[in-house]
This record gives sequence, C-alpha cells and structure tokens, in this order.
Amino acid sequence: GQNIDQPTEMTATEGAIVQINCTYQTSGFNGLFWYQQHAGEAPTFLSYNVLDGLEEKGRFSSFLSRSKGYSYLLLKELQMKDSASYLCATMDSNYQLIWGAGTKLIIKP
Amino acid sequence: IAGITQAPTSQILAAGRRMTLRCTQDMRHNAMYWYRQDLGLGLRLIHYSNTAGTTGKGEVPDGYSVSRANTDDFPLTLASAVPSQTSVYFCASSLHLETGELFFGEGSRLTVL
Repeated sequence: GQNIDQPTEMTATEGAIVQINCTYQTSGFNGLFWYQQHAGEAPTFLSYNVLDGLEEKGRFSSFLSRSKGYSYLLLKELQMKDSASYLCATMDSNYQLIWGAGTKLIIKP
Repeated sequence: IAGITQAPTSQILAAGRRMTLRCTQDMRHNAMYWYRQDLGLGLRLIHYSNTAGTTGKGEVPDGYSVSRANTDDFPLTLASAVPSQTSVYFCASSLHLETGELFFGEGSRLTVL
C-alpha cells in the first residue's frame, strides 16, 4: 500500500535548527515534495527532490534517499514565522500526490 | 493578481442539500484538483482534471462531482450533502499533472448539519 509517515508535532527554539523526517512507501516514485501550511491558510510549495541528495534553498534544505524511502526537511535559524505545519508528499506512478498528515512545528522564543 | 480563488470561504448547510464550491484560476494551468483536509489526516484527493474537458476520480470521489468546461473553472458539487462531508476543501492547480508544484486556493470550510 501507499503510506507517508511523519511526526505529528515538534517543538524547537527560535534561532535553532530543526529536522523534520518523512518516510514513505508508494507505488512508483516521481518525486518528494514539502509544503508549508500556516494555521487556517492554504499549503504553499517549499521544495522538490527527485534524485538522492540535498537541495538547499535559503534557510530551508530538503534531503532524499530513495533506497531508504526517506526524506527530511531542515530548517535553520528558526524564526517565529516558521511556526506552521509541514506536509510531506510523494508523487506516485500515476502522477498523483500522496500526502502525509503533516508535522506541526511549534517555535518557542 | 494571478492566482486561484475559491468561493464561498465558509458555508453551513443542512444535510440533503445540494452545494457547489467554485474554483477559478487565471494562471492558464492545465491541471486542477479538489482536496479535502480533515484533522489528523493528510490531504485527500477528491477529483482532478488533467486538461479542459477531462476529469478523473481521486482517492475519495463518492458523493462529489466535478466538471471542467474550460481551462479556468473547476467547480465541485455535493449532490446531497451528508455530515461526513464536513471538512475544509482546497482547490489547487498545477501547470501539468506531472508537475508536483501545486498552487492552492484559500480553502472553503464546509459544515453539514
């Protein structure tokens, strides 16, 4: 079956670094995506990985290991505005996105 | 401002009533989607459209219908609403079905009593 697992909630301190993990099992693989969703708002695209390795985009980086079915989103120099849910999704062989339930990240001063 | 708009933002309706959620995009995207988001669950795809004139079923299509008469509009209809359809509904679009970068509308919060 198809499954995405990520922690339900994480807490981190302003200015610190946090890593949000995601493991997946899907029928076929056409990429791993991370989205950010602030409470009461729509999800917005953060990153895309299709090959193994690290993709860096400013304070955010995303890593993929296809052989392990594993990805993480790394957030550096945390700011209060980073408090949000982070959604992991994979694209299957039919080009449909399979979504995890999201990780709620709480940033404390 | 280019983007994707949904209406209504929020709606309460009685069980058994018919309801249409509207979605319009002006980005000339080929693919459009309807998702529902429920607490503790990931986004679940209801229906999608690869291009104008075609639609497909997602993970949870029962009780919902869609149409794609043109590129811009993708309405979602609940023929006879039931309480289990209480949810937040998101419309989204992408350049192509194979593009995983989706642009989402602001969401429609629907409560069925």
